[in-house]
Amino acid sequence: DQQVKQNSPSLSVQEGRISILNCDYTNSMFDYFLWYKKYPAEGPTFLISISSIKDKNEDGRFTVFLNKSAKHLSLHIVPSQPGDSAVYFCAASEPSYNAGNNRKLIWGLGTSLAVNP
Amino acid sequence: DTEVTQTPKHLVMGMTNKKSLKCEQHMGHRAMYWYKQKAKKPPELMFVYSYEKLSINESVPSRFSPECPNSSLLNLHLHALQPEDSALYLCASSQDRQRNQPQHFGDGTRLSIL
Repeated sequence: DQQVKQNSPSLSVQEGRISILNCDYTNSMFDYFLWYKKYPAEGPTFLISISSIKDKNEDGRFTVFLNKSAKHLSLHIVPSQPGDSAVYFCAASEPSYNAGNNRKLIWGLGTSLAVNP
Repeated sequence: DTEVTQTPKHLVMGMTNKKSLKCEQHMGHRAMYWYKQKAKKPPELMFVYSYEKLSINESVPSRFSPECPNSSLLNLHLHALQPEDSALYLCASSQDRQRNQPQHFGDGTRLSIL
């Protein structure tokens, strides 16, 4: 079962407009959330993250919003640019409580964003 | 530009070959990861090294053998792979495996098994 869900496989937006990518999660223990962007033939690029003690984090054109009660986060890109066209992955992790565990990332399946000129 | 460097970028090998994938980072990160990614899927965790010790093996078949010679280098030794092992192999690093720090990825090695 998918603990991190990105329900929109694809999204198309006009250049200059806002892109909103959504992510839902089921595990209430998740306390750190990340967004990655991936171009074909490249590795994922870290975009922005948010800790569960916050509800918003902003970095330039990228803003991530976290609604813990709804177990929902979203990535806003304003203004969208053609170079933003890529697959966007949402990922989450929970604390590890002993030395043998790692803070693993749990990934969504990705949303393919197309920004049209 | 990625700060995690992976070589080679592409590798084609037969099922009886032995080859190695290499990964290097100079960010002083103490956690390093190997992932496998198939087309249109998210990365799947394979191994985690923390302070040069193997911390996690996600039940990966023994035909994949990781090695961490020092804090900057991570290798993945391949032997007797199967066609279904064809994928993009990604290396990542993070400052510490337990803190809230993002993982930074290399561009991967595209592996094709004949």
